Amino acid sequence: DTEVTQTPKHLVMGMTNKKSLKCEQHMGHRAMYWYKQKAKKPPELMFVYSYEKLSINESVPSRFSPECPNSSLLNLHLHALQPEDSALYLCASSQPTRRATGELFFGEGSRLTVL
Amino acid sequence: QQQVKQSPQSLIVQKGGISIINCAYENTAFDYFPWYQQFPGKGPALLIAIRPDVSEKKEGRFTISFNKSAKQFSLHIMDSQPGDSATYFCAASRLVTSGSRLTFGEGTQLTVNP
Repeated sequence: DTEVTQTPKHLVMGMTNKKSLKCEQHMGHRAMYWYKQKAKKPPELMFVYSYEKLSINESVPSRFSPECPNSSLLNLHLHALQPEDSALYLCASSQPTRRATGELFFGEGSRLTVL
Repeated sequence: QQQVKQSPQSLIVQKGGISIINCAYENTAFDYFPWYQQFPGKGPALLIAIRPDVSEKKEGRFTISFNKSAKQFSLHIMDSQPGDSATYFCAASRLVTSGSRLTFGEGTQLTVNP
């Protein structure tokens, strides 16, 4: 079982809806990530939080808004999405670099469908 | 500079055979090279990883071979089993203080026939 828990597992939303994806880890990791994965494609990095501060934003549209309320939680707020945003959204965590092995622990993902 | 090229896109082997997946990178600043395994409906899981100061790493049936001068690395799966059927992603990263910024290859869909 993965130690990174994502909810919900499936989400269907209209283009005018506001919804959130949630991610939780209790491994003491201080770096957390959002990735987007389309079918038969590799994961694409969206955001990285390090010590609860946003450290990397890969030029993601503002309709995706990340939030890291504490060291265990990561949210992705969704608003006014487009059908092409339908994908598997993966959360991951890792140790920050000073103690890092470099390993990312991924959750099972939230499957998002935008109608 | 940030690309990682992976081949083949798909691979079919017989049970007990050897599966070989190859990757090449461009950015010499990369210092961590993991392989991830992903089953349908699941997130990727780390399989094995190597740093550029070693040329080979073996864990059970899985071996990474690393050629720093050629900027290439490969995954060998010995005695392949039907349970190994999955998508495999090579990746590379440069560990920075903000975390691990992985660049993934395009993936290889491995099918192991019984």
